[in-house]
Amino acid sequence: EAGVVQSPRYKIIEKKQPVAFWCNPISGHNTLYWYLQNLGQGPELLIRYENEEAVDDSQLPKDRFSAERLKGVDSTLKIQPAELGDSAVYLCASSLGGAGYEQFFGPGTRLTVL
Amino acid sequence: DAKTTQPTSMDCAEGRAANLPCNHSTISGNEYVYWYRQIHSQGPQYIIHGLKNNETNEMASLIITEDRKSSTLILPHATLRDTAVYYCIVRVANLQAGANNLFFGTGTRLTVIP
Repeated sequence: EAGVVQSPRYKIIEKKQPVAFWCNPISGHNTLYWYLQNLGQGPELLIRYENEEAVDDSQLPKDRFSAERLKGVDSTLKIQPAELGDSAVYLCASSLGGAGYEQFFGPGTRLTVL
Repeated sequence: DAKTTQPTSMDCAEGRAANLPCNHSTISGNEYVYWYRQIHSQGPQYIIHGLKNNETNEMASLIITEDRKSSTLILPHATLRDTAVYYCIVRVANLQAGANNLFFGTGTRLTVIP
């Protein structure tokens, strides 16, 4: 069974430039998550989707971050414009959803903003 | 979700049992104890979870004290590939919205020594 796929694995951009990350969850998983992980810290939830609906985006900085999951399958996370402090690993995870279902994580995208 | 306290780092000799402690003194009656680990440059990986009883699977054992205020993750025969950051997380697992969110702390960095 294929795992959660993320691309790109690495991205280097200059500040003020836009950047986008893509995630394809495990087939059949209707819940999708985006996490941010700073160096030396645990992942922090940015947004959670149930199918195509964003049910928890309270931690998403909406002035520069946006996300979409139009058909309830793959998802894109965008930052525009990027700032130096956005340098981090962006992780995508998916789960069947509901009680007790485990989250399966992708390898992440490491973003470096210069 | 209740907070957890874990040691920052631990070492373990290869082939020996690794015992990773976690304190969760404010855990509620309907909160489970989950363990994830994160190997370098990978996303977090689910290990095991439990409510009251001790649990065992192919990866590890989870021992939860009778008062549920602490637990121990046991890797019975640690290998070099078990070197990772281990996260202890407590959360409610039910059908309510938000129940599937994971709140990671900084975890315990386990180093398995040859």
